[in-house]
Amino acid sequence: KNEVEQSPQNLTAQEGEFITINCSYSVGISALHWLQQHPGGGIVSLFMLSSGKKKHGRLIATINIQEKHSSLHITASHPRDSAVYICAVGGGGGADGLTFGKGTHLIIQP
Amino acid sequence: GAVVSQHPSWVICKSGTSVKIECRSLDFQATTMFWYRQFPKQSLMLMATSNEGSKATYEQGVEKDKFLINHASLTLSTLTVTSAHPEDSSFYICSAYTGQYNSPLHFGNGTRLTVT
Repeated sequence: KNEVEQSPQNLTAQEGEFITINCSYSVGISALHWLQQHPGGGIVSLFMLSSGKKKHGRLIATINIQEKHSSLHITASHPRDSAVYICAVGGGGGADGLTFGKGTHLIIQP
Repeated sequence: GAVVSQHPSWVICKSGTSVKIECRSLDFQATTMFWYRQFPKQSLMLMATSNEGSKATYEQGVEKDKFLINHASLTLSTLTVTSAHPEDSSFYICSAYTGQYNSPLHFGNGTRLTVT
């Protein structure tokens, strides 16, 4: 069973700061997901990665398969980025159920 | 983009009653749907994998007779919590998979269940 560790668990930053959230896992995978969970509970899929790097707007996600590590970066952070960010791993590119990290609770203060 | 609708968004029920939660894919056919549970300040945990037209696959420790899953069509899966107890109070969320390799998952907005 894959063990997924996220750090930090909690992060408070000022608007405009560059944010990094880290994720490591114990067993090789074919896909890693970064998810955003808002206070109401709804979850949005931000990225699905199998290698390299992806960018969407101010969000960047990278993965190092050899080191079993991924990072999520937020540039020019904004209060609306405040949410819980969750790393999840699963095989089969989505066909298998995911194993989740505990999440990083991010607060961006204006 | 793909939309997954989950209903109800919240429900309060009395101990001993059953509650049904629906998960619908609105604009795509979902060959596989997943049901997750999240306790306060805990990570999401996979409960079961539901494949259209076949029996669900439950994760270890999840009682299949208590959490009934039906995936009768490519757009609808239901989770029924039978004989609910206060310890079943949790946040339940579904996600749907289109069946295309490397396609992202789409999540419902979740259902907050409170059993009194």
